[in-house]
Order: sequence, then structure tokens, then C-alpha cells
Amino acid sequence: SQQGEEDPQALSIQEGENATMNCSYKTSINNLQWYRQNSGRGLVHLILIRSNEREKHSGRLRVTLDTSKKSSSLLITASRAADTASYFCATASYGNNRLAFGKGNQVVVIP
Amino acid sequence: EAQVTQNPRYLITVTGKKLTVTCSQNMNHEYMSWYRQDPGLGLRQIYYSMNVEVTDKGDVPEGYKVSRKEKRNFPLILESPSPNQTSLYFCASSRKAPDRENSPLHFGNGTRLTVT
Repeated sequence: SQQGEEDPQALSIQEGENATMNCSYKTSINNLQWYRQNSGRGLVHLILIRSNEREKHSGRLRVTLDTSKKSSSLLITASRAADTASYFCATASYGNNRLAFGKGNQVVVIP
Repeated sequence: EAQVTQNPRYLITVTGKKLTVTCSQNMNHEYMSWYRQDPGLGLRQIYYSMNVEVTDKGDVPEGYKVSRKEKRNFPLILESPSPNQTSLYFCASSRKAPDRENSPLHFGNGTRLTVT
């Protein structure tokens, strides 16, 4: 069953601004991952954070994980038009051989 | 180039006509999976495979079959397609199962299936 839930569902920002998305989940996790999807194409892995990590950076991406609140956030700094996409969080739980994806978060960056 | 290849990219068929969507990966990954994506429902897992000859149901397996006779291939079979199987389908693979190792999924570019 799906357990990642992103919030907000849709976000529209100006180029250069920061975009923040949140994800909540219900059960204990092994890791949490964020993916990007451009307009009906395949999902592309962005970043993975393990359950014992609290923050991780990759280029303009910053992910935080709060296991006590069962939530994660993805921050994209200095957004570009090319960041326009849907962003999904996905969780992997111990003993569950699959990734559970949220419904996605559409981000539109206006040039 | 490391990739997951799905074919065809687009497919229009009629109710009841058996079809197969192929998926192949060249990364020697053990784990492979099929998802369908529908508006408002996100990605839902259909079937997955932990390794050769090991497959298991996901969240929405009804109406689908899979096989894993070789490590690189994981075809999705619709024996008797129905209009409610109209969807965007993705194949994905990873080195190990998501909870066994912190390895991300690599996705194919998708197959847009329409069943009339």
C-alpha cells in the first residue's frame, strides 16, 4: 500500500526561489528516497536518506528526515525552469520488499 | 549505457487481445518491478521479482502476469486486457530489494497502454 504522502500537492514558484516539499509516512523505514519525473517520463532517482541520517545534500538539493515525526522534506534551492517536474517520495521498510510511493508533488518553476 | 529498456513506448489494443510489454536491464540487477501510474493514484506496484524465478504480487496484481526466466528480462503479460488497465506502465530495477540494501530504483521510460 502507498504510504508516502507529499505536501503540498502542487507548487508554483519563480525561477531563483526555493521550493520545499514535505512527505509523511506511517511505518518504520529503512530509507526514504526522492524521485523526479518529467512529464510522463520515467522517474529519476534524486537522493536517498537512511533512517539513521537526519540531513543530506546533493548539489542544490537538501533532504531532511525526522523519524520521530515520520516525515521528510526536500528543498530545491535557487530553482530553475528545468526543475519543473513532479517529485515523489518513496519509503523502504524492513521486511517489505518494495518501495511505497507517494502520489507526487507537481512543481512549476516560472522563468 | 546503464539502462532499463521497455517496449513498446505506446500501445493501443482492444479488450481481450493478449499483449506483452517487455522490460530489460543491463546492470545485472537482482530486483525488478512493474508499476502502473494513474492520475490521482500515484505509482502502484503490480509485481516484483527478487531474482531469477522469484516473483511476487504487489498492490494491484489482478489481470497481470510476469515471468523472470533470465536476470535481465522481466516481461509484463496481460492475458485479457480490459479498459481499466489503460494506464502508464513503468518497469524498474535495482541491485537489491529496497529494504535489503540502500540501492535506488532505475526506471524505464514507460509504456502508455490504451485498451478500447
